[in-house]
Amino acid sequence: LAKTTQPISMDSYEGQEVNITCSHNNIATNDYITWYQQFPSQGPRFIIQGYKTKVTNEVASLFIPADRKSSTLSLPRVSLSDTAVYYCLVGELGSNYQLIWGAGTKLIIKP
Amino acid sequence: DVKVTQSSRYLVKRTGEKVFLECVQDMDHENMFWYRQDPGLGLRLIYFSYDVKMKEKGDIPEGYSVSREKKERFSLILESASTNQTSMYLCASSFDRDGISNTEAFFGQGTRLTVV
Repeated sequence: LAKTTQPISMDSYEGQEVNITCSHNNIATNDYITWYQQFPSQGPRFIIQGYKTKVTNEVASLFIPADRKSSTLSLPRVSLSDTAVYYCLVGELGSNYQLIWGAGTKLIIKP
Repeated sequence: DVKVTQSSRYLVKRTGEKVFLECVQDMDHENMFWYRQDPGLGLRLIYFSYDVKMKEKGDIPEGYSVSREKKERFSLILESASTNQTSMYLCASSFDRDGISNTEAFFGQGTRLTVV
């Protein structure tokens, strides 16, 4: 059974780079890797998505090794407002859909 | 900006009541989803729909049904609410990109349902 595993919690400090890794050993060929951010009492918000290698946007980078069995979300120069829960999602919505959510990583940024 | 609107932020219902949770999206997205989120269990997919009048069971469909009569609206129905359905319910939508559904979804604010 496909599963995604990520750390339960992480701490860091303002201005640091934070890397959160998600393990997904049984990722299927058509699966994408997507990361979301969630603040208390809000729905998750899309951060970044990738299939392989590296993807970068204005808020984060996503690193995916060649075997795609893990992925790393990188947040550059975090601030207090980045304190949130970060979810890894592996899956696709084709005819054989599967959407496997990680349990979430609670990231706390300290001053 | 994409907007996914859930009809209520908070609901309190009695055991056995029929409950309707409504969700509307304004970006003409093909796909819509209903999740529930519980502490320690993360997000679990209840149902999704990839087109009007189409629905697919997710991971935990028991005790729920859905309706999608219009593209922009996706309703979750609890036929007979029970206390174990007390939860945060999240609606989401996503578009098809190049003919392939994708998992970049936009979520509503959530409905916290309490069944007493």
